[in-house]
Amino acid sequence: KQEVTQIPAALSVPEGENLVLNCSFTDSAIYNLQWFRQDPGKGLTSLLLIQSSQREQTSGRLNASLDKSSGRSTLYIAASQPGDSATYLCAVNSGGYQKVTFGTGTKLQVIP
Amino acid sequence: EPEVTQTPSHQVTQMGQEVILRCVPISNHLYFYWYRQILGQKVEFLVSFYNNEISEKSEIFDDQFSVERPDGSNFTLKIRSTKLEDSAMYFCATERERQETQYFGPGTRLLVL
Repeated sequence: KQEVTQIPAALSVPEGENLVLNCSFTDSAIYNLQWFRQDPGKGLTSLLLIQSSQREQTSGRLNASLDKSSGRSTLYIAASQPGDSATYLCAVNSGGYQKVTFGTGTKLQVIP
Repeated sequence: EPEVTQTPSHQVTQMGQEVILRCVPISNHLYFYWYRQILGQKVEFLVSFYNNEISEKSEIFDDQFSVERPDGSNFTLKIRSTKLEDSAMYFCATERERQETQYFGPGTRLLVL
């Protein structure tokens, strides 16, 4: 059974700082991995999708990497802004009919 | 950009009542999913649906739950007799092909009193 863990659970940084969020998963036989953003009481916004054959994906100030063999992914946020404050979820797509297993999330606060 | 929509956005119901949550998938998507998130907890997979039948379901998805595409467009989740512990945010997700991005709807917040 796939288990997804995110560290740290919460992170507070001053505006402008670069930061890294970590995600680890137990079963390396995955199809893809997605990073989502969730604002309080809101839905899920997909940020980046990395296929199992890829090593990284970039979108604007975001860069996600994937090391399937070690069961790890990182989300790098450059030059953080207060608007980046949210919970970031890692979700691994593996097995069966593409059900996605989510991590518990990292709650990010960027202080102006 | 096409998006997944869900109705209602919020629903309050009494324990034991039936509720139907609705999702309108992106038009050319073939794979459909329901997830739920109890307040403060992880997003959890409930069920996947393809070609008008359930592909896979989790242990949460018991006999009180059912899914269907009644008119070929809407995708619904029915809870026959709601319990207090069914209170959660329910997300619909759809996917064009397997191994592609799952697009999530905004969610329905269900409160069972």
